[in-house]
Amino acid sequence: DAGVIQSPRHEVTEMGQEVTLRCKPISGHDYLFWYRQTMMRGLELLIYFNNNVPIDDSGMPEDRFSAKMPNASFSTLKIQPSEPRDSAVYFCASSYRATGELFFGEGSRLTVL
Amino acid sequence: AQSVTQPDIHITVSEGASLELRCNYSYGATPYLFWYVQSPGQGLQLLLKYFSGDTLVQGIKGFEAEFKRSQSSFNLRKPSVHWSDAAEYFCAVGIGGATNKLIFGTGTLLAVQP
Repeated sequence: DAGVIQSPRHEVTEMGQEVTLRCKPISGHDYLFWYRQTMMRGLELLIYFNNNVPIDDSGMPEDRFSAKMPNASFSTLKIQPSEPRDSAVYFCASSYRATGELFFGEGSRLTVL
Repeated sequence: AQSVTQPDIHITVSEGASLELRCNYSYGATPYLFWYVQSPGQGLQLLLKYFSGDTLVQGIKGFEAEFKRSQSSFNLRKPSVHWSDAAEYFCAVGIGGATNKLIFGTGTLLAVQP
């Protein structure tokens, strides 16, 4: 079975540009998470969804960040406008029910120049 | 505030030696505790989890962890390390009564010497 699929794997952009990261969760999973990983701050939970509904977005750093889940098989994380401090690896993860077993994608490495 | 502390940033062990990675948590209620492993360029994979019951839990790849409430610890162990265990290891706690909302520690990078 396919795991969590993220795209793009690598993104290099210039400050001020819009960035859209995409995620396809594992079929049948009802939770979806977006995490950000940096050397300075480690792994931070940005937002998570249950049955396509955002449950907790308290980790979204500011209004430049937005996330959507229009259906059970697709989610986006958008940064507009992007800034150099947004450079990080962004992970999407999904899980089935509240088991604590998150299945992570391989991440999207974002570099903002 | 809830938090997870992994005091060792980097550990090097010889292949075949035993391993213990430390994890301390701060959480008022009964915690849900997890260990995840991350290989270079990959996402995280669950090694094991503790929700309740037996305080010694077994996981994949020969790992185990012991929950000690009195010490607020959940240390990860393996009796004999293999070169393929070289990776970064993250301890996490599920907060707010949710086993899915995880707060991760800063990770311990494990190097294995031949």
